[in-house]
Amino acid sequence: GAGVSQSPRYKVAKRGQDVALRCDPISGHVSLFWYQQALGQGPEFLTYFQNEAQLDKSGLPSDRFFAERPEGSVSTLKIQRTQQEDSAVYLCASRRQAEIVDTQYFGPGTRLTVL
Amino acid sequence: AQKVTQAQTEISVVEKEDVTLDCVYETRDTTYYLFWYKQPPSGELVFLIRRNSFDEQNEISGRYSWNFQKSTSSFNFTITASQVVDSAVYFCALKGSAFGQNFVFGPGTRLSVLP
Repeated sequence: GAGVSQSPRYKVAKRGQDVALRCDPISGHVSLFWYQQALGQGPEFLTYFQNEAQLDKSGLPSDRFFAERPEGSVSTLKIQRTQQEDSAVYLCASRRQAEIVDTQYFGPGTRLTVL
Repeated sequence: AQKVTQAQTEISVVEKEDVTLDCVYETRDTTYYLFWYKQPPSGELVFLIRRNSFDEQNEISGRYSWNFQKSTSSFNFTITASQVVDSAVYFCALKGSAFGQNFVFGPGTRLSVLP
């Protein structure tokens, strides 16, 4: 498709399990973002990639969160030893260029529920 | 620190009414960017507009208009002659000029347009 896709759309995990969330950005987009959106809140920045380089990970809440984009296209957000507070929608966005003035295109998100 | 406030949690209007969504921001940067996004029930954030801090011209796009006032640190969004399809959560966001890609989103305003 032409837009950003994310999989799975829904994920239920038991506390303590590891999860991996996938993002397929728009083809050719240089920039990729991950956000966490808690219920009833705005998205909160987690991390940013420019091609395969992770240039900003200031928003990752703990060392249980890890993101990668090894070939500069698909990205995976991994959460280890999930906790109930990790329950949220995880949004991925891509941007054609690195410049701030360029538009971010968002995917539909992955809703993670940790029981 | 940067912050975005959207004081209106929920707004309900009847179709064809005009409605204004408020956004107040805080930043110490002299150069910054402001954004509005729409999040329909499908979950994907849709980009509406971007303004930079040195361009205070108001903008109109069809039924949408934006009023940017640096003196009051506000970037309000007005929908004229609202339609049911305008029902969504609307987010205001801020990106400062500091290094990094940390976009700060407000908590959002849920708009319901009733037929």
